[in-house]
Amino acid sequence: DTAVSQTPKYLVTQMGNDKSIKCEQNLGHDTMYWYKQDSKKFLKIMFSYNNKELIINETVPNRFSPKSPDKAHLNLHINSLELGDSAVYFCASSHTGVDLAGELFFGEGSRLTVL
Amino acid sequence: DQQVKQNSPSLSVQEGRISILNCDYTNSMFDYFLWYKKYPAEGPTFLISISSIKDKNEDGRFTVFLNKSAKHLSLHIVPSQPGDSAVYFCAASDASNTGKLIFGQGTTLQVKP
Repeated sequence: DTAVSQTPKYLVTQMGNDKSIKCEQNLGHDTMYWYKQDSKKFLKIMFSYNNKELIINETVPNRFSPKSPDKAHLNLHINSLELGDSAVYFCASSHTGVDLAGELFFGEGSRLTVL
Repeated sequence: DQQVKQNSPSLSVQEGRISILNCDYTNSMFDYFLWYKKYPAEGPTFLISISSIKDKNEDGRFTVFLNKSAKHLSLHIVPSQPGDSAVYFCAASDASNTGKLIFGQGTTLQVKP
């Protein structure tokens, strides 16, 4: 019973394709996030949703579209994949309002390779 | 412009000794700092945090020190154990309460038996 689970773990695809990564959390958290870890190993926030409402959108290209059907799920759809999209994508969740930052619980990551 | 920096990409220490991991930040609006630990093929896991109103927080073998004037924090692990070998990320947030964390690029710690 993984707390934050994301699928698939590995994804290899061609440039120009469209792909999705799914994320689910069973912690009862009300906020979910997508982070990207690039080749330089920096973890950078892409999006966050609070109770299905978009809270943070960090100047991510609009080829990336998050979708939150309910507060336990946050999916990431990427259109027209480019080589630079190759990275590890981490889903995370947290409570908000408990303290200022809140501890994030991360999934295991989805490694996307664009050829 | 990287607001949180971990300038040492790697650190190697002997089992039983102290490990000191460092982190610098530039944004004076940051008021909450966290350390995460990451094993290969796993997501980061929360380790310890500190609010800007404190200068030290301790949890077992792990202690985080915050020097606001220097915009510097450090994580001390003592005694270090081989199971502590992992990548350690420093992260910071401001008072916006959005849950947004700014991460450093990580330091790989190797603890040798």
